[in-house]
Amino acid sequence: DTGVSQDPRHKITKRGQNVTFRCDPISEHNRLYWYRQTLGQGPEFLTYFQNEAQLEKSRLLSDRFSAERPKGSFSTLEIQRTEQGDSAMYLCASSRQGGYTFGSGTRLTVV
Amino acid sequence: GQQVMQIPQYQHVQEGEDFTTYCNSSTTLSNIQWYKQRPGGHPVFLIQLVKSGEVKKQKRLTFQFGEAKKNSSLHITATQTTDVGTYFCAENRDDKIIFGKGTRLHILP
Repeated sequence: DTGVSQDPRHKITKRGQNVTFRCDPISEHNRLYWYRQTLGQGPEFLTYFQNEAQLEKSRLLSDRFSAERPKGSFSTLEIQRTEQGDSAMYLCASSRQGGYTFGSGTRLTVV
Repeated sequence: GQQVMQIPQYQHVQEGEDFTTYCNSSTTLSNIQWYKQRPGGHPVFLIQLVKSGEVKKQKRLTFQFGEAKKNSSLHITATQTTDVGTYFCAENRDDKIIFGKGTRLHILP
């Protein structure tokens, strides 16, 4: 395991469709984070898990967004009824202690 | 929550010149982390500083945490084209990372 994997790398979807992204963290990392990054901005925190428990959700995470980490390993982030404002890079990160390791992200474009 | 402020937003330097980015907070920081994001890439963790007045070096990069733990800086000596990217400071607060908006470094050949 060489790092955090995210799938897909790119997703183009029509407004109103649902999309789901997957993140596979570093195996020994018990914490998993989702961030969103738009052009020219720093990553913004969305939510995080410790093992399978979702411990915090940002107010940025509307009720159209849901994240799961069912077995404390991989995680999914689903966006329902996508809007153009959801277009962004969705980054996953994992950590055990100290610095985070980010995946390459999923770039979502809503047309 | 309070976000750390970074300046400048953009910086163009000639290759070989030095570069510094600054990170400021109105409140005391428990720690400061620095990340580098290459164009089209993802943030890569560089370092974490925890102690007041701490200074750490990584080759041509020097990281400093202020005495009052309200500011930090990253200094790059003799920039190279490989230094291109956006440098973010961030605080690990309440078990999550809060990022600044970053400083985008562009190197002129």
